[in-house]
Amino acid sequence: EVQLVESGGGLAQPGGSLRLSCAASGFTFSSYDMHWVRQATGRGLEWVSSVGIAGDTYYPGSVKGRFTVSRDNARNSFYLQMNSLRAADTAIYYCARTSYGDYAYFDYWGQGILVTVSS
Amino acid sequence: QSVLSQAPSASGTPGQRVIISCSGSSSNIGRNYVYWYQQFPGTAPKLLIYRNNERPSGVPDRFSGSKSGTSASLAISGPRSEDEADYYCASWDDSLRGPVFGGGTNLIVL
Repeated sequence: EVQLVESGGGLAQPGGSLRLSCAASGFTFSSYDMHWVRQATGRGLEWVSSVGIAGDTYYPGSVKGRFTVSRDNARNSFYLQMNSLRAADTAIYYCARTSYGDYAYFDYWGQGILVTVSS
Repeated sequence: QSVLSQAPSASGTPGQRVIISCSGSSSNIGRNYVYWYQQFPGTAPKLLIYRNNERPSGVPDRFSGSKSGTSASLAISGPRSEDEADYYCASWDDSLRGPVFGGGTNLIVL
């Protein structure tokens, strides 16, 4: 059974940092592209970052230069280092897997973890 | 503002066919597959339709997807009370170089 489990969320001050982790199991982790997607309360889904099979990384303009995604295939895990946090980054963060090289084909999602940026 | 456009809500009775629409552009829906996700309050999204019109194993056949030009639709034939949820469309965007989502449509079964 495919499982994705996020950890590391919580409260951070504006300008501060947090590191999210996603532990994967039930599939060959190294063979899949992995992603972070967030959802602010009462809002829609927003893509945050992607790390490909080869370790290539991608970000939207809203987080580029502040967030860094990475993966550790030996640990079946990937991470999101979030720096220079803003109130607008407050959201539930989901880790997700895509298949067949299509970065919109999110076939499995974690349960989500809350990140709150507030003083 | 979401890149893909969806109406905020839709409703229908169990005897009807409800259509949820998703409008995009030539850089996303016009050139790429469309995906639909179902989300219940307090839970993670779940893949409902992939590659425009395919259903993952376990998704009831009352759900169907279609795409035409730069728009896509999710149809629910005979919605049930348990289908009340938020529905999101998604696609890859060639210009933004990333996946994009609609703002979501909340389905109400009357």
